[in-house]
Amino acid sequence: AQKVTQAQTEISVVEKEDVTLDCVYETRDTTYYLFWYKQPPSGELVFLIRRNSFDEQNEISGRYSWNFQKSTSSFNFTITASQVVDSAVYFCALSEGTSGTYKYIFGTGTRLKVLA
Amino acid sequence: KAGVTQTPRYLIKTRGQQVTLSCSPISGHRSVSWYQQTPGQGLQFLFEYFSETQRNKGNFPGRFSGRQFSNSRSEMNVSTLELGDSALYLCASSLVGGLTDTQYFGPGTRLTVL
Repeated sequence: AQKVTQAQTEISVVEKEDVTLDCVYETRDTTYYLFWYKQPPSGELVFLIRRNSFDEQNEISGRYSWNFQKSTSSFNFTITASQVVDSAVYFCALSEGTSGTYKYIFGTGTRLKVLA
Repeated sequence: KAGVTQTPRYLIKTRGQQVTLSCSPISGHRSVSWYQQTPGQGLQFLFEYFSETQRNKGNFPGRFSGRQFSNSRSEMNVSTLELGDSALYLCASSLVGGLTDTQYFGPGTRLTVL
């Protein structure tokens, strides 16, 4: 079963539009961490945010904001006033595990294209 | 602080050959993980090393192996290359690994098997 689902394979928006990338996760653990990474064409995954399962506060960082809702097992990412430089593949990831064995599970990614 | 570095960045090999990829973690990071990224399978975890010991392993055949040195640098080896091994291999480092740690990724090594 898919543990991290990013249902949107590709999204295209025009510059300055807002866009939300969806992430739904599945875990039985009560303690877990969620992450978002950005992968530009260069290939390197760039860390954006980490959120633990006990902190449901939304976070805003500049044009980026994240909405974590445990009730719906979602951790969505919104880019406000998108820019061409935001074009990349975005990955949501889940870190879970107990007794010293943990897993870092990535979604399949959402390719965002921001058109000028 | 310098980020995670990987060498080489690009590699072309033929079937049956073997290859060694190298990863230098961020200074002070002791955990190194390796991932394979392909268009069809996405990002898949290969293994994780901490203090020169393999601590976690994904579901890859024994042709994929790795090691970590005392300075935390890590190498990954793939023997008897197959066409399906063509992929972007990403290395990630973190302070001590584990549930709470954030992984920081290198630029990857793009391996093409002909």
